Formats: sequence, structure tokens, C-alpha cells
Amino acid sequence: GAVVSQHPSRVICKSGTSVKIECRSLDFQATTMFWYRQFPKQSLMLMATSNEGSKATYEQGVEKDKFLINHASLTLSTLTVTSAHPEDSSFYICSARGGGGVDTQYFGPGTRLTVL
Amino acid sequence: RKEVEQDPGPFNVPEGATVAFNCTYSNSASQSFFWYRQDCRKEPKLLMSVYSSGNEDGRFTAQLNRASQYISLLIRDSKLSDSATYLCVVNRGSGGSNYKLTFGKGTLLTVNP
Repeated sequence: GAVVSQHPSRVICKSGTSVKIECRSLDFQATTMFWYRQFPKQSLMLMATSNEGSKATYEQGVEKDKFLINHASLTLSTLTVTSAHPEDSSFYICSARGGGGVDTQYFGPGTRLTVL
Repeated sequence: RKEVEQDPGPFNVPEGATVAFNCTYSNSASQSFFWYRQDCRKEPKLLMSVYSSGNEDGRFTAQLNRASQYISLLIRDSKLSDSATYLCVVNRGSGGSNYKLTFGKGTLLTVNP
């Protein structure tokens, strides 16, 4: 099946620093990528949807200036958490969807962010 | 009402048991439905899609009742390896800007030897 990678898998950083997470589709072109966040014992919550070459669409309550998303190519999307704070500590998961009406998302392995 | 609501669990069952998970969704216009499993500290993985006619994959059977907005998953002859959190997932649209997966909170299953 399709493979999506994420890097890094784990980040521990100090409060106030910015953290960049990369999401790559390895064997298909992802017209759409999604970024989710999951707090402990909670469901995955969609943060934003990004389409290659256009601005991301953010879900209600997600600050676009804090969570910068770039989808520069059909195989790469990045999420930058700017000026991270302890409340941003979470499991961030990306997923990718191919074109042609394919109704399947392929998830990356996730990035666990801990902000001290 | 939450968009996708699941049994809160957790479920603890012995090996070989049959276990059923229930899920309801609020958006009657939802187009497609799935069950995912998520292991601890890992990403969710697609277990199976759910069709109106019901579908089976080995020990797993999924059912969808559009009139009641209800989805179920039945696991027969449960194995230790079935221990995971089971996520009910609903897609509100078929394509374009309507495509959005909404996840339930999940139900934790532990299968005991």
C-alpha cells in the first residue's frame, strides 16, 4: 500500500522555539494532505487541509499564524509550530490522499511533540 | 451532539470472545464510513470500509444503517493481537472541498489470554 513518512518522529523542545514537521508521500502524488492533532485519550482532530500550490484551509479554532502549513510539491507538506508552548504538546499526524477521487487517506507515523 | 460518537469502553474480553462496537454519526449527508484501528502511540490504520449492504473481512464484520445513522463492527474469535483502539470514522463528502474525515474518540479493546 501507499506509504507516507513523517519526520521527525519525536521532538522535545523549549518553550518559544519553532518546530517544523515534514510529511512526505513516498510512492504516490498527494494532491491533498491533512494535518491532525491528537491529545492523550482524545480523538484525532483535523487541523487543516492543504492542497498543493494553494493556501491551506484551517479548521475553526486553529490559528493559521501559529501553525504554518506549506504544501510546495505533490509529495511534501510541512507543518511549522511557531513559538511552541507546553499546551502545544501533542501527537501530530499527517495524511495524504491521491487524486482521481480516491477515497482513502494514508497516514504518516506521527510526530510526538513535547514542549518543556 | 458529537459528529461521531462511540461506545466509551474500555472493553476487556478473553481470547476467542466475540465483541461488538457501536457508533452513531450526526450528519445524515455523510458519504462514506470506515473503521480504523490505532495501536498505542501509533498512527491509525484502516481496518475496513463500511458499506450499506454490510461487509465482512475474515473475523471482522461491519454494518451500516443509514436510516439510524448507526455503524457497527463485530469481531469474532478475538485474538491477543486485536488489542487496540478502534476508531469509527465518517467522511462527510465524496470529493473536493467536502472531503473530510471525522474521527470518533475510539473504543479501547484489550483481549486477555
